[in-house]
Amino acid sequence: GDSVTQMEGPVTLSEEAFLTINCTYTATGYPSLFWYVQYPGEGLQLLLKATKADDKGSNKGFEATYRKETTSFHLEKGSVQVSDSAVYFCALSEGGGTSYGKLTFGQGTILTVHP
Amino acid sequence: EPEVTQTPSHQVTQMGQEVILRCVPISNHLYFYWYRQILGQKVEFLVSFYNNEISEKSEIFDDQFSVERPDGSNFTLKIRSTKLEDSAMYFCATSSGNQPQHFGDGTRLSIL
Repeated sequence: GDSVTQMEGPVTLSEEAFLTINCTYTATGYPSLFWYVQYPGEGLQLLLKATKADDKGSNKGFEATYRKETTSFHLEKGSVQVSDSAVYFCALSEGGGTSYGKLTFGQGTILTVHP
Repeated sequence: EPEVTQTPSHQVTQMGQEVILRCVPISNHLYFYWYRQILGQKVEFLVSFYNNEISEKSEIFDDQFSVERPDGSNFTLKIRSTKLEDSAMYFCATSSGNQPQHFGDGTRLSIL
């Protein structure tokens, strides 16, 4: 079945450092890929998405590129802020047509950014 | 921005009791989902619901679980006879179709 693997956490960085959170996936078809973020005490919020190979999703300075050849969707940000401290989830969906369908999540990576 | 609203935020229940978790979807959304996250584990899919019926469910979603949309607005998850291992964060998510899912803030369910 489908699966998503994220790099081991937690990740601790200083403000303005470069961030990479690795994500690889296994899927039978051509999934859509997502990054969700969860701030303390809140639900999951969509950060960015990509629906086909070589697409780059971007939002709030974060980027991820859908790499079919390496089955990866690594999250990057050039300069993190303290406010980026949260849990980041990589996810995929095999849905198509009228709905993305269910999401399959990675285990989440806790990011802590220090001033 | 429209939100998915879940109630209660925290539910404490004795083992064996029934619980109902509630979700108010974003108004034009037609696809509804429940997920759960046991502490320290992955977010897991439970069930999807469209056009007043279950469209997909996971192996976790056994006979103790049910979903319905009784009044056309609230989307509920019922656990008939709770077990200790049902303790988790339960997330409702909704979407309008070929758009990403929007999540609520979750209900923390604690079974004693």
